[in-house]
Amino acid sequence: DQQVKQNSPSLSVQEGRISILNCDYTNSMFDYFLWYKKYPAEGPTFLISISSIKDKNEDGRFTVFLNKSAKHLSLHIVPSQPGDSAVYFCAASEVETSGSRLTFGEGTQLTVNP
Amino acid sequence: NAGVTQTPKFRILKIGQSMTLQCTQDMNHNYMYWYRQDPGMGLKLIYYSVGAGITDKGEVPNGYNVSRSTTEDFPLRLELAAPSQTSVYFCASRTGSEQFFGPGTRLTVL
Repeated sequence: DQQVKQNSPSLSVQEGRISILNCDYTNSMFDYFLWYKKYPAEGPTFLISISSIKDKNEDGRFTVFLNKSAKHLSLHIVPSQPGDSAVYFCAASEVETSGSRLTFGEGTQLTVNP
Repeated sequence: NAGVTQTPKFRILKIGQSMTLQCTQDMNHNYMYWYRQDPGMGLKLIYYSVGAGITDKGEVPNGYNVSRSTTEDFPLRLELAAPSQTSVYFCASRTGSEQFFGPGTRLTVL
């Protein structure tokens, strides 16, 4: 039962273009969503988040969009840079549950070509 | 702050051996977590703790044990290692809604 799914294992874009990473979820109780970035041989690092009461959150080159009716969120990176090449994980949580546990998607490997 | 530290970085175990993966955080976070990541998969929660003396099972707890005697430390114990436990293990601690991850321990069971 995969409650958070990232259907694209990989994405390749040219430097300067937009990268769009997608994530779908099935649990309607999720009310907080996060994106993490992971480089090889390192732990994931927090990138950006969004509460279910919003539909957009922006931080510099990174914007997360949430469509609650479709149970879908996306991460936009504009403009993409070679240093953005990493695995991106979508995660979701129910804030009020014990431990505020995160449920992760499988990850999308983003490659930004110079 | 060192953040979340994990030791060892790498380990090879034989089937049936036991070991403890160490995790320490110096941010005074109450919440701590253990995840495993298998190739091509997301992170799966093994155990978590909401404070010293309190632990609970996550999604995939079988074959593991934890303890939380202090706020700083959250060790993960494998008693009888099996090949299915070959994975990369990440420890994390939380403040607010953000989790901070350690660098991971790569474990191979042969």
